[in-house]
Amino acid sequence: GIQVEQSPPDLILQEGANSTLRCNFSDSVNNLQWFHQNPWGQLINLFYIPSGTKQNGRLSATTVATERYSLLYISSSQTTDSGVYFCAVVNAGGTSYGKLTFGQGTILTVHP
Amino acid sequence: DGGITQSPKYLFRKEGQNVTLSCEQNLNHDAMYWYRQDPGQGLRLIYYSQIVNDFQKGDIAEGYSVSREKKESFPLTVTSAQKNPTAFYLCASSILPGPDPYEQYFGPGTRLTVT
Repeated sequence: GIQVEQSPPDLILQEGANSTLRCNFSDSVNNLQWFHQNPWGQLINLFYIPSGTKQNGRLSATTVATERYSLLYISSSQTTDSGVYFCAVVNAGGTSYGKLTFGQGTILTVHP
Repeated sequence: DGGITQSPKYLFRKEGQNVTLSCEQNLNHDAMYWYRQDPGQGLRLIYYSQIVNDFQKGDIAEGYSVSREKKESFPLTVTSAQKNPTAFYLCASSILPGPDPYEQYFGPGTRLTVT
């Protein structure tokens, strides 16, 4: 099946710093989502971005489908950005029932 | 207020007991999914359903069962046959996969502990 690799596994920042999280995937996709998992476990949708670039406030994401990677940018980080960031994809080559395959996540810690 | 609700938030059971986790959505989504998350890991698909009275196994269905009697509801039963049931369980829903964006939305999850 499709493989999803996220980097870095851990990231520690001071408040106000910028960061880039990366997601590599091994096959073509027709769905790619970025999530933020808060300390209570809730998965919060950040972006639905199988291709192209989107921005939402301090966050933006870019997916280059032909090169099989996606980037999540966090600017001017805040302590509330702490948590785990997941990339998840749906393999375009598989049966189209929408199964998301998740990466292992990036644990972000933002210190005040 | 549209969304996905899961209950209970925390669940404790003794080994050998079956337990049912609830998932309800009022987003009018056809597709519903159950995922399992173990500590420090991403999520893995247990079961999914695209229509009432129909569901399919995901990657780790052994020891689990589901039903889909109503569009809004997709309960998951963790049976005594599941060898390692302690985990965080998340339910999700979306429109049917197709040419339109089918973003999946997740409920708040149920933490199951079996001792």
